[in-house]
Amino acid sequence: NSKVIQTPRYLVKGQGQKAKMRCIPEKGHPVVFWYQQNKNNEFKFLINFQNQEVLQQIDMTEKRFSAECPSNSPCSLEIQSSEAGDSALYLCASSLLGNTGQLYFGEGSKLTVL
Amino acid sequence: SQLAEENSWALSVHEGESVTVNCSYKTSITALQWYRQKSGKGPAQLILIRSNEREKRNGRLRATLDTSSQSSSLSITATRCEDTAVYFCATDTNAYKVIFGKGTHLHVLP
Repeated sequence: NSKVIQTPRYLVKGQGQKAKMRCIPEKGHPVVFWYQQNKNNEFKFLINFQNQEVLQQIDMTEKRFSAECPSNSPCSLEIQSSEAGDSALYLCASSLLGNTGQLYFGEGSKLTVL
Repeated sequence: SQLAEENSWALSVHEGESVTVNCSYKTSITALQWYRQKSGKGPAQLILIRSNEREKRNGRLRATLDTSSQSSSLSITATRCEDTAVYFCATDTNAYKVIFGKGTHLHVLP
């Protein structure tokens, strides 16, 4: 059973609306990853954090996407102005060792943009 | 371009048979991981094999790694219906990311 908790499991937004997803990583894991998985099961790396600091993020994240991992609060991923192409499963994963160790995934937040 | 990718889109086997999923990658790695994702669930790691290892086992699963050909395989013996899932290989990079392949759909038929 996954110990990475993602909420909400499903969200439906209209184009231009904000969409916010949250993730509680596994306790003691300092590294958090966000991925976008499309309907063809392809993963797109979005951003990762070590503690509260951004390690790496893609250009897309820098524009309409924002993410944070504050101490003592859930991590979050927010899309400022949703587009149809953002419809996907957003997966959060945490890791003890970063990208050389096992990633523990949540169940994901499935976003549908109408 | 994919830094890691499985070599088959879909495979079908009957229960009890063995199956192998192959993966190739393009960069030097510290570790290669195999994940399984069942419908409606997040991926779950099956095996992590480090670059100095050639083989790793986990119950009915066996992963191999060939760094000279930059390839890996995941074999499942005595398959069960519950092994039906999408199987991904994933590699680390020198930029903090973990890159996933496109996945192989495995269908285990009764």
